[in-house]
Amino acid sequence: QSALTQPASVSGSPGQSITISCTGTSRDVGSYDHVSWYRQHPGKVPKLLIYEVTKRSSGVSDRFSGSKSGNTASLTISGLQAEDEADYYCCAYAGSKTWVFGGGTKLTVL
Amino acid sequence: EVQLVESGGGLVQPGGSLRLSCAASGFTFSRYSMNWVRQAPGKGLEWISNINSGSSLTGYADSAKGRFTISRDDAKNSLNLQMNSLRDDDTAVYYCARDHDYGFDSWGQGILVTVSS
Repeated sequence: QSALTQPASVSGSPGQSITISCTGTSRDVGSYDHVSWYRQHPGKVPKLLIYEVTKRSSGVSDRFSGSKSGNTASLTISGLQAEDEADYYCCAYAGSKTWVFGGGTKLTVL
Repeated sequence: EVQLVESGGGLVQPGGSLRLSCAASGFTFSRYSMNWVRQAPGKGLEWISNINSGSSLTGYADSAKGRFTISRDDAKNSLNLQMNSLRDDDTAVYYCARDHDYGFDSWGQGILVTVSS
């Protein structure tokens, strides 16, 4: 159960698009379409953005989109806004009722 | 409105035990798989344990296996985590989270567990 690999930080200017990668293995990301993404503002509870690789959670803006290729999943945020500055985590099902999170990516809106 | 409220946290000495509970309301608790996720101070999220609806299947992170036990009481709409042999690195905020199609769509506010002598 090794953590998924995410970049420690990414940044972008308002209005731009950014993509956060999440690399796992053939035992988790590569085996199941059960990848989810979460946003967490400082001191707050994580919020589900994307599940099942591409599905947006209820109420989540269509500026957020997910994809997957092989052992790597990605979260794209378009039209960056100041409120998007937060920590982002990917999570993947790894079989046998286990999940694994990525280490998290800090998004800075310049 | 879905609500998850954790309780049972606090300060415990290394080697000690603690039982966390999560009271669920606003949805049919028995129909959902439930999870515990933790976050050490200043660190990322770590999935700890899952129990399916019906309690027939459970899963644990390697860090929890053999020390933590997840359970649920559907009559009381309650999720539990029995934590034994606690270590310093178990210090974290513990969240209960509802499983929706393998994503965690609702989270409690979290409860702090501090393991220290």
